[in-house]
Amino acid sequence: DAGVIQSPRHEVTEMGQEVTLRCKPISGHDYLFWYRQTMMRGLELLIYFNNNVPIDDSGMPEDRFSAKMPNASFSTLKIQPSEPRDSAVYFCASSQPPGQAFFGQGTRLTVV
Amino acid sequence: KNEVEQSPQNLTAQEGEFITINCSYSVGISALHWLQQHPGGGIVSLFMLSSGKKKHGRLIATINIQEKHSSLHITASHPRDSAVYICAVTNGNQFYFGTGTSLTVIP
Repeated sequence: DAGVIQSPRHEVTEMGQEVTLRCKPISGHDYLFWYRQTMMRGLELLIYFNNNVPIDDSGMPEDRFSAKMPNASFSTLKIQPSEPRDSAVYFCASSQPPGQAFFGQGTRLTVV
Repeated sequence: KNEVEQSPQNLTAQEGEFITINCSYSVGISALHWLQQHPGGGIVSLFMLSSGKKKHGRLIATINIQEKHSSLHITASHPRDSAVYICAVTNGNQFYFGTGTSLTVIP
């Protein structure tokens, strides 16, 4: 397996635009996590899914953020409209319960 | 107050030294994770543990549930161990992260 695959690796967008981040988890992993990392706040869990169902989205900062997992092999994190303070590295990770999480390489988002 | 506290925040060691990074937490947990973030940004999950001790190569992780404390040890440290080490705990529903320990191993 190629591991957790995220795309794009880098995204630069203008304030107000919609941004969609994509993640392909490792095949067979039941859990998928979206994290955000900034210098100020460190690593934060935004939302996680179990068997494609969102379990805990308490980390999602506001209504501008939404995440979906339409099937076991794909998830998206969408920001609409984007703001400069959303600039961060967004990581996706997947795991089998109760095993270790495997992380993607991250998407570096810059909102100007 | 953070639910997860790590110490030290920064650590510089000479190659070959034995290194210990500490993690204390204040919430009930079902598991504790140690993550390693390389200078390039990639994150690797090193250990997940809920009791006792785990060993992988030169890395050893221990946890004391009663004391709510975990340690990550690196034996015979090497410059390639230079990274940020992050402690994270979960109670099954929520995750809490430490702010990380930045380790630099000098040749």
